[in-house]
Amino acid sequence: DAGVTQSPTHLIKTRGQQVTLRCSPKSGHDTVSWYQQALGQGPQFIFQYYEEEERQRGNFPDRFSGHQFPNYSSELNVNALLLGDSALYLCASSPISGADTQYFGPGTRLTVL
Amino acid sequence: DQQVKQNSPSLSVQEGRISILNCDYTNSMFDYFLWYKKYPAEGPTFLISISSIKDKNEDGRFTVFLNKSAKHLSLHIVPSQPGDSAVYFCAATETDSWGKLQFGAGTQVVVTP
Repeated sequence: DAGVTQSPTHLIKTRGQQVTLRCSPKSGHDTVSWYQQALGQGPQFIFQYYEEEERQRGNFPDRFSGHQFPNYSSELNVNALLLGDSALYLCASSPISGADTQYFGPGTRLTVL
Repeated sequence: DQQVKQNSPSLSVQEGRISILNCDYTNSMFDYFLWYKKYPAEGPTFLISISSIKDKNEDGRFTVFLNKSAKHLSLHIVPSQPGDSAVYFCAATETDSWGKLQFGAGTQVVVTP
């Protein structure tokens, strides 16, 4: 049983570009959340998707958008990249029933030059 | 606005001894608390959780204590093992916002032989 998978592992972009990160949830999970972890900090909640809709959103600008597909996989899109967007982006999946069963993927390391 | 704080960025402990990690929170609406463990190049792994209706939860070598009046929780690891060397994150959430976890900045634990 595969856990949460994310692609790509690493990514280098330049300021102003756009990026798409991908996540496949753990089997049986229907809810996907995205987090940003800057160096030396804890993960910060970006948003959560359930039933292909954004259910909750953290304090992130509209440059951050997402999508969930019918197979529950999800994408995180960031437009007009800034140097400050450099971080580890984590995807977590869970069944809708509870937060204590959130499973995290290994993350995508995004570097913006 | 950091609602979950881990004021000790690092902790060094001898193998076999007790590790005590502390976490403070400011939001009185938080009613569910979790600890995650993170190794380099991996996503956070769920360790143990506690509901606000309890003041203690135990799972093997891991025990979490919650003091609601002080808005403080702690994680005890007894006995500490070399494999426990990792970054530990405290997280909190409200019952009605499953998936929107608020994380502390983490504590790096090093277990020495």
